Amino acid sequence: QKEVEQNSGPLSVPEGAIASLNCTYSDRGSQSFFWYRQYSGKSPELIMSIYSNGDKEDGRFTAQLNKASQYVSLLIRDSQPSDSATYLCAVMSGNQFYFGTGTSLTVIP
Amino acid sequence: EAGVAQSPRYKIIEKRQSVAFWCNPISGHATLYWYQQILGQGPKLLIQFQNNGVVDDSQLPKDRFSAERLKGVDSTLKIQPAKLEDSAVYLCASSLDPGHEQYFGPGTRLTVT
Repeated sequence: QKEVEQNSGPLSVPEGAIASLNCTYSDRGSQSFFWYRQYSGKSPELIMSIYSNGDKEDGRFTAQLNKASQYVSLLIRDSQPSDSATYLCAVMSGNQFYFGTGTSLTVIP
Repeated sequence: EAGVAQSPRYKIIEKRQSVAFWCNPISGHATLYWYQQILGQGPKLLIQFQNNGVVDDSQLPKDRFSAERLKGVDSTLKIQPAKLEDSAVYLCASSLDPGHEQYFGPGTRLTVT
């Protein structure tokens, strides 16, 4: 069983819509959760971190964490073509850091 | 604030040759990570340093890969001898301490022919 699982996509949404990206993790004791964006040929760029249950908003991005159900999600409001990228979920479990394989998002103008 | 620096950006070598990558983390960041990212996959942790000590190297192929972080700042990752399956992007990241946000360098794209 993989530590962190994401739907690889591709996920396509029209410009201006809400994009919803999901991630599940296996270790119930995981403490820290992160979303990274990775453009093709570039390195991952941190979008948000979340440490406690509930929602965390930053501009057009909202991270949601539900530890009981062991999932973390990322909502992108008013999606723009520049949001087209692969989104990586990362989970800190014990002293180890695990990345999912990423979800490819395409925003259609 | 300067980001994580890596060099070289690209490297092409033949199998069985050796190669070394260099990383300079963000100033003040005690934790340094090396990842391998194969096309279409998420980054895989190879080794994690806390200052100049190794915290986790469980996924480092120690028969061919080695890494060091002398003086707790810069780090080098070496592959000797390289195999075709080592073709990947090698990413260096740093964080203030474990559990906090990691910031990535631009990566080194390695092609083994």
